[in-house]
Amino acid sequence: GDSVTQMEGPVTLSEEAFLTINCTYTATGYPSLFWYVQYPGEGLQLLLKATKADDKGSNKGFEATYRKETTSFHLEKGSVQVSDSAVYFCALSVGGGANSKLTFGKGITLSVRP
Amino acid sequence: NAGVTQTPKFRILKIGQSMTLQCTQDMNHNYMYWYRQDPGMGLKLIYYSVGAGITDKGEVPNGYNVSRSTTEDFPLRLELAAPSQTSVYFCASSTADGSYGYTFGSGTRLTVV
Repeated sequence: GDSVTQMEGPVTLSEEAFLTINCTYTATGYPSLFWYVQYPGEGLQLLLKATKADDKGSNKGFEATYRKETTSFHLEKGSVQVSDSAVYFCALSVGGGANSKLTFGKGITLSVRP
Repeated sequence: NAGVTQTPKFRILKIGQSMTLQCTQDMNHNYMYWYRQDPGMGLKLIYYSVGAGITDKGEVPNGYNVSRSTTEDFPLRLELAAPSQTSVYFCASSTADGSYGYTFGSGTRLTVV
């Protein structure tokens, strides 16, 4: 079945450090890929997405590139801020219609210290 | 826009009690979902619906029931609460193709004691 694997956490960084969060996937079809962010006490919010190979999703300084050859969708940010502290989830969906359910990774907690 | 609204935000239940978690969306999305989130486990799909009158089981449906009488509403029912159902529950909605991602509610934190 479809699955998403995220690197183990938690991750603690100093402000302005470079961030990479690894995500790899297994899918039976051609998935769309997503990163969601969950701030403390809130629901998940879509951070960025990519729907085909070599697409780069970007938002709020975060970027991720859909790499079909390595089945990866790593999240990066050049300079993190304290306000980026949150839980980050990688996810995929395959196909449309009734098959478009999201499959999530386990999530990783990012803490950014001043 | 309100998006996806969940009520209540918090609830404590005793073992064996029943309750309904409410979810409503105002985006005219056909697809709606219920997930539970447990620490370190990510999100697990409980039930989903592709339109009014149509529901189907997800990965962890045992102990839950749903109904979808309107496009807007997708309540989740716990009939006999058990400690294993202590979790945070999220409702979400999407367009049919799902390629634009989901819109999530803010969650219901449920504790069964």
